[in-house]
Amino acid sequence: EVQLAESGGGLIKPGGSLRLSCAASGFTFSDAWMSWVRQGPGKRLEWVGRIKSKTDGGTTDYAAPVKGRFTISRDDSENTLYLQMNGLKTEDTGIYYCTTFRTFGDVVVIWVFDSWGQGTLVTVSS
Amino acid sequence: DIQMTQSPSSLSASVGDRVTITCRATQNIATFLNWYQQKPGKAPKLLIYAASNLQSGVPSRFSGRGSGTDFTLTIGSLQPEDFAIYYCQQSYSSPRYTFGQGTRVEIK
Repeated sequence: EVQLAESGGGLIKPGGSLRLSCAASGFTFSDAWMSWVRQGPGKRLEWVGRIKSKTDGGTTDYAAPVKGRFTISRDDSENTLYLQMNGLKTEDTGIYYCTTFRTFGDVVVIWVFDSWGQGTLVTVSS
Repeated sequence: DIQMTQSPSSLSASVGDRVTITCRATQNIATFLNWYQQKPGKAPKLLIYAASNLQSGVPSRFSGRGSGTDFTLTIGSLQPEDFAIYYCQQSYSSPRYTFGQGTRVEIK
């Protein structure tokens, strides 16, 4: 069974930094593309970024609101995904979910946020 | 970015009702559309992928249709455990994936 467990959230002042972790188990983490999705209070789900498997290059992509401030990385030896968040803003407040990100389908191959962790709350406030 | 708009934003329905939620994209996304269910305090769960394909383990009362810009999620006979928020999400514009604002299904 796939399990994803986020940690590292908390209260941080604007401009501060925080690193979130996501411990993965139940699947071959090193083969997986992974993603972070967040949900602000009363807001829709928002894709934050993704990281490919090292086999596929290990590269990252980010949503425009976080590009240049957030960095996704992975430690395949520890089966752990990270989200380093710098220059935090009040609008970054929300629950941050770690997800697996993979393709589904045969005729139409589509990327899907497959398995999700329970999330970790980040509150950016002075 | 492709914007996704769901309607209605919320609805009240009774157990046994047939419920339909609509999702509209601002441009043609073919069938690159997924649906998720989120219960209070829980993470979202994948229901349907590629517009009409039921994820393994999801009850057959859930169904999805559509292509291009207009999509629907239908719950054939609403059950007590179906009261939740439902989100559509497009995977056409890689990697700028976007979600709808959600539709809250409440008990009437």
